[in-house]
Amino acid sequence: DQQVKQNSPSLSVQEGRISILNCDYTNSMFDYFLWYKKYPAEGPTFLISISSIKDKNEDGRFTVFLNKSAKHLSLHIVPSQPGDSAVYFCAASVHGAYKYIFGTGTRLKVLA
Amino acid sequence: NAGVTQTPKFRVLKTGQSMTLLCAQDMNHEYMYWYRQDPGMGLRLIHYSVGEGTTAKGEVPDGYNVSRLKKQNFLLGLESAAPSQTSVYFCASSSQGFGNSPLHFGNGTRLTVT
Repeated sequence: DQQVKQNSPSLSVQEGRISILNCDYTNSMFDYFLWYKKYPAEGPTFLISISSIKDKNEDGRFTVFLNKSAKHLSLHIVPSQPGDSAVYFCAASVHGAYKYIFGTGTRLKVLA
Repeated sequence: NAGVTQTPKFRVLKTGQSMTLLCAQDMNHEYMYWYRQDPGMGLRLIHYSVGEGTTAKGEVPDGYNVSRLKKQNFLLGLESAAPSQTSVYFCASSSQGFGNSPLHFGNGTRLTVT
């Protein structure tokens, strides 16, 4: 029972263009969503988050959009850079549950 | 500024052997977690702890045990390793355990069970 799903295992984008990574969830109790970035042989690192009371959060080149009615969130990277090539995980948490559930990840490749 | 440190980095076990993975954090975080990463499966939560002396089961706890005797350490044990436990294991810690309190991850332990 995968509560957080990333249906695209991989994505290739040209440098300078927009990268859009998608994430779907099934548990309506999730109230916070986070995106992590992972390079090979390293642990994931936190990128950006969004509360369920918001529909958008922006941090530099990274913007996360949340559509609660569709139980869908997306991460936009504009403009994409070769250094953005990594695996991206979305994660969700429930207030007071003290744990984070991760999606399956999307491998982004930014072509120079 | 070590953050989260995992030892060992690599390990090869034979089926039936046991081992313990050690995780140490120096950020005074209450919450600690063990995840495994497998191709196509993402990061799955094995066990977690909400404070010293506590442990709880995650999504895939079978075949693993954990202990949190000290706040800064979280140990993951495999009593009788199986090939299905071949994976990359990540430890993480968090100050709040939910919401806008991100996880800080170690660099992982790659375990192969033959």
